[in-house]
Amino acid sequence: AQTVTQSQPEMSVQEAETVTLSCTYDTSENNYYLFWYKQPPSRQMILVIRQEAYKQQNATENRFSVNFQKAAKSFSLKISDSQLGDTAMYFCAFMKTQGGSEKLVFGKGMKLTVNP
Amino acid sequence: DTGVSQDPRHKITKRGQNVTFRCDPISEHNRLYWYRQTLGQGPEFLTYFQNEAQLEKSRLLSDRFSAERPKGSFSTLEIQRTEQGDSAMYLCASSPTGSLTDTQYFGPGTRLTVL
Repeated sequence: AQTVTQSQPEMSVQEAETVTLSCTYDTSENNYYLFWYKQPPSRQMILVIRQEAYKQQNATENRFSVNFQKAAKSFSLKISDSQLGDTAMYFCAFMKTQGGSEKLVFGKGMKLTVNP
Repeated sequence: DTGVSQDPRHKITKRGQNVTFRCDPISEHNRLYWYRQTLGQGPEFLTYFQNEAQLEKSRLLSDRFSAERPKGSFSTLEIQRTEQGDSAMYLCASSPTGSLTDTQYFGPGTRLTVL
């Protein structure tokens, strides 16, 4: 079974600074997807960024980028130029690509607070 | 595109009562997922449908839980004889095809409190 670990339960950062959220996972699969989802307070979960395991190039989406280290099974999220609206719970998630339902396996999440 | 909607947003019930939640996926999304999220945890997979077929159920889904998607559009999740341990946020998500590149879009969730 796959597991996702987010070891930092909470972080805070000043507005405009850069912050990195860590995630490790465990799987015996070779092909899979990794995701970062954001859940703002009292609002629904939205996708921040995704990475296909077969791609060596790290995914980027505007201020968000990942550092994907497949051998180390590490998938960190970097948020540049942090904004107050980035305050949210962030969840790392795994999806295997074969023989499954494409269900997401989530970590416990990390609470990020961006301070003015 | 109106997004995934869920109803009700909040439900308070007494132990032993039955409850039913509804999820309306994004139009033409043929995959629909149910997850449960308890306080301080990430969402956990419960079950999923491709069109009207329920293709996988988690071991978390006890006999008291049943889900349906009768016409391949909206879905219902029913919990019979609720227990306090059922208190959680129930999330619904949908995705457009079976393609592995497709993103799951989440609804706002139904928060269940069992007294």
